[in-house]
Amino acid sequence: EVQLLESGGGLVQPGGSLRLSCAASGFTRSYAMTWVRQAPGKGLEWVSTINGNGDSTYYADSVKGRFTISRDNSKNTLYLQMNSLRAEDTAVYFCAKDWGWFGSWGQGTLVTVSS
Amino acid sequence: EIVMTQSPATLSVSPGERATLSCRASQSVRSYSAWYQHKPGQAPRLLIYDASTRASGIPARFSGSGSGTEFTLIISSLQSEDSAVYYCQQYKNWPWTFGQGTKVEIK
Repeated sequence: EVQLLESGGGLVQPGGSLRLSCAASGFTRSYAMTWVRQAPGKGLEWVSTINGNGDSTYYADSVKGRFTISRDNSKNTLYLQMNSLRAEDTAVYFCAKDWGWFGSWGQGTLVTVSS
Repeated sequence: EIVMTQSPATLSVSPGERATLSCRASQSVRSYSAWYQHKPGQAPRLLIYDASTRASGIPARFSGSGSGTEFTLIISSLQSEDSAVYYCQQYKNWPWTFGQGTKVEIK
């Protein structure tokens, strides 16, 4: 059974940084992985995707230049380094598996950007 | 950016009745679309991918259709556990985008 467990969320001041992690289990192949977020009261927003071996990355314009997606396949872990955080980055961040459509999701981790 | 527009915003349906959800893309996405069910406090759940392929373990009462710019999700006989927000998504072009969601309520 595929399991994805996010961690690393919390309260951070505007301009601060945070690194999210997503520990994956239940599958052996290196699948593409994605971060999707949901701001309070809003819908789902695609944030970033990384391919299976980590050499191709894609970002939403809203986070380009501030967020970096990466992965460590030896640890089955996906990361999202978030810098220069803004109030509008406040959201639950989900990690999801697969390319294009997302067959498995984690429960999410809450990031709150506030002074 | 491809904009995905869902209608209606809210749908109220009696148990056992049919629910029809629509999603329109601002340009053709061929069949590169998916549908998700999302309940508060839970992980989103993939229902349909490639416009009409039911995901593993999804009940047969969920079906998807369409291609190009018009897509439909049908719940043939609504159950109480189907109360949720439903999102469509396109993965034809970057950035991948979601619709704003349709909230399905049980009447």
